[in-house]
Amino acid sequence: AQSVTQPDIHITVSEGASLELRCNYSYGATPYLFWYVQSPGQGLQLLLKYFSGDTLVQGIKGFEAEFKRSQSSFNLRKPSVHWSDAAEYFCAVVRNSGGSNYKLTFGKGTLLTVNP
Amino acid sequence: GAVVSQHPSRVICKSGTSVKIECRSLDFQATTMFWYRQFPKQSLMLMATSNEGSKATYEQGVEKDKFLINHASLTLSTLTVTSAHPEDSSFYICSARDQYMDTMNTEAFFGQGTRLTVV
Repeated sequence: AQSVTQPDIHITVSEGASLELRCNYSYGATPYLFWYVQSPGQGLQLLLKYFSGDTLVQGIKGFEAEFKRSQSSFNLRKPSVHWSDAAEYFCAVVRNSGGSNYKLTFGKGTLLTVNP
Repeated sequence: GAVVSQHPSRVICKSGTSVKIECRSLDFQATTMFWYRQFPKQSLMLMATSNEGSKATYEQGVEKDKFLINHASLTLSTLTVTSAHPEDSSFYICSARDQYMDTMNTEAFFGQGTRLTVV
């Protein structure tokens, strides 16, 4: 079964520092991977996605992620964090339930705190 | 990106009453919508998949008689929490996918969520 692991529950960085959020997946075929961000009390916003092609994916808000098949990873990075990046980040993989009815399986999330 | 509107954003109800949450796709048609539940500091757990014009598909362990889902049109799905109890208090989020872009890599758009508190 498909699964997603986010090893870090909570990460604290200083504003302006670089950031890397880890995500490992378990999936037999080529995975479709997503990173979402959730601000407190809000829904989810897509940051970026990977399904094929270039393994380095650029997203919104200056985020990027690199797909590494050999490591089963899809880590999210940002070179310089802003205070507004403080939020919960979820990695997700599409779970193919047959036909066009796909389902997203989410990791448990990583809470990012940004210190001034 | 596409917009999914969820209403209400917050609701407080008395134990034993029913609450309806609406999920609308504003600028696209969605044959499939998804309902999630999120406990504090937890991930999103898929409750059910809502299919336009047919019965919803519930995940294992989710009571279909308690969480009634109706997907009467291509832009609206509703979740009704029946006979709500304090343990049903949670954050409920819906998402939808554009039926005309329905491939495996098509993103799902999320509503802003509904905070349900049962007192």
